Amino acid sequence: QVQLVESGGGLVKPGGSLRLSCAASGFTFSEFYMNWIRQAPGKGLEWISYITSSGTTIRYADSVKGRFTISRDNTKNSLYLQMNDLTVEDTALYYCARTSSGFPDSWGQGTLVTVSS
Amino acid sequence: IVLTQSPDFQSVTPKEKVTITCRASQRIGTSLHWYQQKPHQSPKVLIKYVSQSFSWVPSRFSGSGSGTNFTLTINSLEAEDAATYYCLQSSSFPGTFGQGTKVEIK
Repeated sequence: QVQLVESGGGLVKPGGSLRLSCAASGFTFSEFYMNWIRQAPGKGLEWISYITSSGTTIRYADSVKGRFTISRDNTKNSLYLQMNDLTVEDTALYYCARTSSGFPDSWGQGTLVTVSS
Repeated sequence: IVLTQSPDFQSVTPKEKVTITCRASQRIGTSLHWYQQKPHQSPKVLIKYVSQSFSWVPSRFSGSGSGTNFTLTINSLEAEDAATYYCLQSSSFPGTFGQGTKVEIK
């Protein structure tokens, strides 16, 4: 079955950087768009970035544009999110999610990013 | 596109009917989906494209609506349905979620 496992979260100071990873299995990774969606503690969901199956098209929400970079390695069945210049507002659980038929249909369990001094 | 759900919270007795609405700030066609998130779990899709269900989703869950107004209905609520429910529009990027409706079992 579809499995998405995020890693790389942790505690970082404001202005710092982190790189999140998502290991995919149970499906043909290279055929699907992938996304990062986050959820601040006790808050709702925010779709922050997606990347097409080949990686040729990438989009970012305004809240992370210029600071975050999404990428993928189809040979490793992996999705990445490089996060730079982090602020306290970036504190959240970051989910990796697969897009199928135009919406996120499978989600990982998330990796927690805490930005605090 | 802003999605506004109502109510924010609902306390319901088992077997009662639950109706959650999602209003979009502009027309989104049929690109409206519903998710269920239980505590300490990731969201799971319940309904896609307004009213299309999945084989693994109990038949008591249904969706309807058009234009800018959409509804998730839970017929005969069960204890396992305690969760927060979100609508999502995928008409334009970034897809936006409603703020969530928390359903508590009395």
